Amino acid sequence: SAVISQKPSRDICQRGTSLTIQCQVDSQVTMMFWYRQQPGQSLTLIATANQGSEATYESGFVIDKFPISRPNLTFSTLTVSNMSPEDSSIYLCSVRTSLDEQFFGPGTRLTVL
Amino acid sequence: AQSVTQPDIHITVSEGASLELRCNYSYGATPYLFWYVQSPGQGLQLLLKYFSGDTLVQGIKGFEAEFKRSQSSFNLRKPSVHWSDAAEYFCAVGAAGNTGKLIFGQGTTLQVKP
Repeated sequence: SAVISQKPSRDICQRGTSLTIQCQVDSQVTMMFWYRQQPGQSLTLIATANQGSEATYESGFVIDKFPISRPNLTFSTLTVSNMSPEDSSIYLCSVRTSLDEQFFGPGTRLTVL
Repeated sequence: AQSVTQPDIHITVSEGASLELRCNYSYGATPYLFWYVQSPGQGLQLLLKYFSGDTLVQGIKGFEAEFKRSQSSFNLRKPSVHWSDAAEYFCAVGAAGNTGKLIFGQGTTLQVKP
């Protein structure tokens, strides 16, 4: 398995500001991902965080809004830029192991006022 | 189109009773199937997974699931529910290899009556 930590665990932010969420894994993994869970909803993949290259975004998500960094095989950040209340969600980091198991971090609960 | 359907949005069972949560999927390739549980304010915990082989898979916390290709289903079961099982349960489908894109169902909220 993989143990994933995220910082911050929650935050309340003002409209128009940005927040960077950190994800740390206890082992090296090739595949890291960022998901969003809007209030009362299921999970949606935002992007794949590629080590050493630009992230791969899903339809409906763009780099200017959700810039992602992946400096090494155990760490990634997701920034939520120019936030609006519609960005209020839980943001989850996820990793896929070499055994094709997929694990999720505890999430960052973001509220935008 | 690829999709996952969890027909039951909310289920209430009595403690000690058996449980079955339904999951149906539509997926073009051979699916990898997962069940996750999310307790209030928590992240997702992997309960079990199916990749291939034996269609009845065992997971943690006494859960099991059965893959039925002919019915495109992957239902989650537990013979005796505990109060601590109250949570939201998500079924997800994905592909093998270098992709982490999981398609999730809408989730089923389980309430356990004492």
